Amino acid sequence: EIVMTQSPATLSVSPGEGVTLSCRASQSVGNNLAWYQQKPGQAPRLLIYGASTRATNIPARFSGSGSGTEFTLTISSLQSEDFALYFCHQYDDWPPYTFGQGTKLEIK
Amino acid sequence: EEQLVESGGGVIRPGGSLRVSCVASGFYMSHKYMNWVRQAPGKGLEWVSILYSGGGTYYAASVKGRFTVSRDSSKNTLFLQMNSLKVDDTAVYYCARGHRSSWQSDFDLWGRGTLVTVSS
Repeated sequence: EIVMTQSPATLSVSPGEGVTLSCRASQSVGNNLAWYQQKPGQAPRLLIYGASTRATNIPARFSGSGSGTEFTLTISSLQSEDFALYFCHQYDDWPPYTFGQGTKLEIK
Repeated sequence: EEQLVESGGGVIRPGGSLRVSCVASGFYMSHKYMNWVRQAPGKGLEWVSILYSGGGTYYAASVKGRFTVSRDSSKNTLFLQMNSLKVDDTAVYYCARGHRSSWQSDFDLWGRGTLVTVSS
């Protein structure tokens, strides 16, 4: 089973600042990596798939990069609606699909 | 608008059974690979099961033999029958749609989840 490790667990950032979230896989997943945003009481939302492709209707301030075992999600200028939980998901090796533990973005 | 809505969660005693449902709107569930994913309180996401458009199923080791995924195409509904429930099965259960017609896929649509609490 591939273990996905996200860092940091919590990130305190001011609106308008940029931020980079990290996700590391215990073995190569190629570019079969997705990022999701989750807000309390809401359905998770797909942000990035294929490591770097923005999903439909996702703003350009969200970008993904990486391949193999190291991946990042960058939000270029944080808006108030971006403060949420973010998690990565590998779908290269299955079963099972595995997810990171998440990074919580909170307002500084 | 495409949407997934789960229901059927509740409080159940260890060893009991429960069936949760996921109704799809805006697309035909039978054409897609559909998944169940759960999230225990304060924990990360754990994939539970998948139902292929062709009817094949797979399960996580932690639920294999106890959980069964199925669908009713006439009602555009996905089910997860959970038997022999354990305290460790306590979680919010989400259904999630595969983006591609392949197991090698991200999940492009999720529901809000339904909470299952297993407690004596």
